[in-house]
Amino acid sequence: GQNIDQPTEMTATEGAIVQINCTYQTSGFNGLFWYQQHAGEAPTFLSYNVLDGLEEKGRFSSFLSRSKGYSYLLLKELQMKDSASYLCAVQDSNYQLIWGAGTKLIIKP
Amino acid sequence: IAGITQAPTSQILAAGRRMTLRCTQDMRHNAMYWYRQDLGLGLRLIHYSNTAGTTGKGEVPDGYSVSRANTDDFPLTLASAVPSQTSVYFCASSDSGDNNEQFFGPGTRLTVL
Repeated sequence: GQNIDQPTEMTATEGAIVQINCTYQTSGFNGLFWYQQHAGEAPTFLSYNVLDGLEEKGRFSSFLSRSKGYSYLLLKELQMKDSASYLCAVQDSNYQLIWGAGTKLIIKP
Repeated sequence: IAGITQAPTSQILAAGRRMTLRCTQDMRHNAMYWYRQDLGLGLRLIHYSNTAGTTGKGEVPDGYSVSRANTDDFPLTLASAVPSQTSVYFCASSDSGDNNEQFFGPGTRLTVL
């Protein structure tokens, strides 16, 4: 079967760094996405990884290891507005997205 | 229209009633998708369309139907609503290609009583 695992909830302090992990087992792999979703809103795209390594985009970075079926999203210099759910999704062999349940990130002052 | 829109924003529906959720995009994307999102679960694909005139079944298609008469519109119909279809429904669209970043509509919150 296909499976995406990520922690249900994490708490971090404003100004700090947090790493959200995602492990996956899917039928085929054509890339991994991270999305951000604020409560009551639609998901919005953050990053895409298809090759191993780190992709950096401002305060956010995403890492992929295809051999380990593993990715993480790194958020630096946390701000209160970063309080949201972070969704990991893998594009399978049919180019459909398989979604994790999301990690709710709580930022405390 | 800017991006992707959905209607209605929310709806309360009696069980057994028919309901169509509307979705329109103005980005000329080939692919469109319908997801449902339930607490504690990831987004689950209901139906998709890779291009106008074609549709396919996702992970949870039972009780739902779709049509894709043109590029812009992708309505989702519940023929006879049941309480288990209470959920938040998101429509999304994407370009073709490897990095098919999906753009989401604002969602429809549906309650079936």
